[in-house]
Amino acid sequence: GENVEQHPSTLSVQEGDSAVIKCTYSDSASNYFPWYKQELGKRPQLIIDIRSNVGEKKDQRIAVTLNKTAKHFSLHITETQPEDSAVYFCAALKGGGNKLTFGTGTQLKVEL
Amino acid sequence: GAVVSQHPSRVICKSGTSVKIECRSLDFQATTMFWYRQFPKKSLMLMATSNEGSKATYEQGVEKDKFLINHASLTLSTLTVTSAHPEDSSFYICSASRDSYNSPLHFGNGTRLTVT
Repeated sequence: GENVEQHPSTLSVQEGDSAVIKCTYSDSASNYFPWYKQELGKRPQLIIDIRSNVGEKKDQRIAVTLNKTAKHFSLHITETQPEDSAVYFCAALKGGGNKLTFGTGTQLKVEL
Repeated sequence: GAVVSQHPSRVICKSGTSVKIECRSLDFQATTMFWYRQFPKKSLMLMATSNEGSKATYEQGVEKDKFLINHASLTLSTLTVTSAHPEDSSFYICSASRDSYNSPLHFGNGTRLTVT
């Protein structure tokens, strides 16, 4: 089955700096890669996603890049703000399926 | 956007009792819903895939007689934790998507279960 690895597990940045979270996946048949943000005790919220026919996608301060050859994808947050502090999960979904495999999560802390 | 409602948000029960958690898709029909379990500071672990009108598909290591899933309609799936024990205490989250494949998942608010 699919295996998704995520790094780093924790990340501390100063407000205004950029944050990058990286994930790798094992199944080359995976073709949909969402990113979720989860605040303590709350539901994961979809913040951005990318499909395998696209190399990069951007939405305001958030961007995701995908390298299919290397089987890795990354989340980039620019101009970080304290409200960006949360746990971020990457995930991968195999083409033709509907079962997401999640990464292990990254605790992002944006310090003032 | 798609809304998934989960109830209750928090429940405390005694060992040996059963607890039912509901997951509803409010503005779309979901032929498939998913149930996850999340331990503190850990990732979401898929427990089972709930299919409307048929039996749920359980992940390896998840006891189907312990975690009963019923998906009676296109908008409702329930998870019943039977004969709960303290080790069942966890955060349970459901999710659903509009279409069968490759569609964004939308999560419920989660249920914090504490078994005393």
